[in-house]
Amino acid sequence: KNEVEQSPQNLTAQEGEFITINCSYSVGISALHWLQQHPGGGIVSLFMLSSGKKKHGRLIATINIQEKHSSLHITASHPRDSAVYICAVLPGGSRLTFGEGTQLTVNP
Amino acid sequence: DAGITQSPRYKITETGRQVTLMCHQTWSHSYMFWYRQDLGHGLRLIYYSAAADITDKGEVPDGYVVSRSKTENFPLTLESATRSQTSVYFCASIGRNTPDTQYFGPGTRLTVL
Repeated sequence: KNEVEQSPQNLTAQEGEFITINCSYSVGISALHWLQQHPGGGIVSLFMLSSGKKKHGRLIATINIQEKHSSLHITASHPRDSAVYICAVLPGGSRLTFGEGTQLTVNP
Repeated sequence: DAGITQSPRYKITETGRQVTLMCHQTWSHSYMFWYRQDLGHGLRLIYYSAAADITDKGEVPDGYVVSRSKTENFPLTLESATRSQTSVYFCASIGRNTPDTQYFGPGTRLTVL
């Protein structure tokens, strides 16, 4: 079993829908990252969370440390949000452990 | 240009050949990382470095060698390439002043025939 599990693996939505991607992990962590990988392959960091909730534009990330669970929400989804979203945890130090990613496709 | 760059972006080589993938960052970030990305595995850490002349193994280091003689460069060498090393390789860095964000290079797609 992977230390980091994401669900769903694939998600297709219509433009404007509210989207939720989930991440569960099995180890103690100091922080959790959400990353976005564009169709061209480039990877960018979206959030780092150690507690609570963060919001950036239409993106909201939450984490529940006790439940070992995080969610990434996208409000009013748009086709340009189509990408792979990757959850990664920091058990300690600077070494991230990654989930396999969720492929999101938003249709117009 | 400022940022983190990788070269080459695409490489085809043959089994048994030595290949070096280059990573260069202009921010003087302390931490640098090499990952490989494969279907079904996500990103996996090969090696990382906390500073010049300090390197350590990650999850999948076998068959790879790294060095870090200068802060800005972190080359990854496949000493004798194998087909199982066909993958997309990403370099990344973190600065001490920006620990929230890991900056990724554009990736190198390596094919070993």
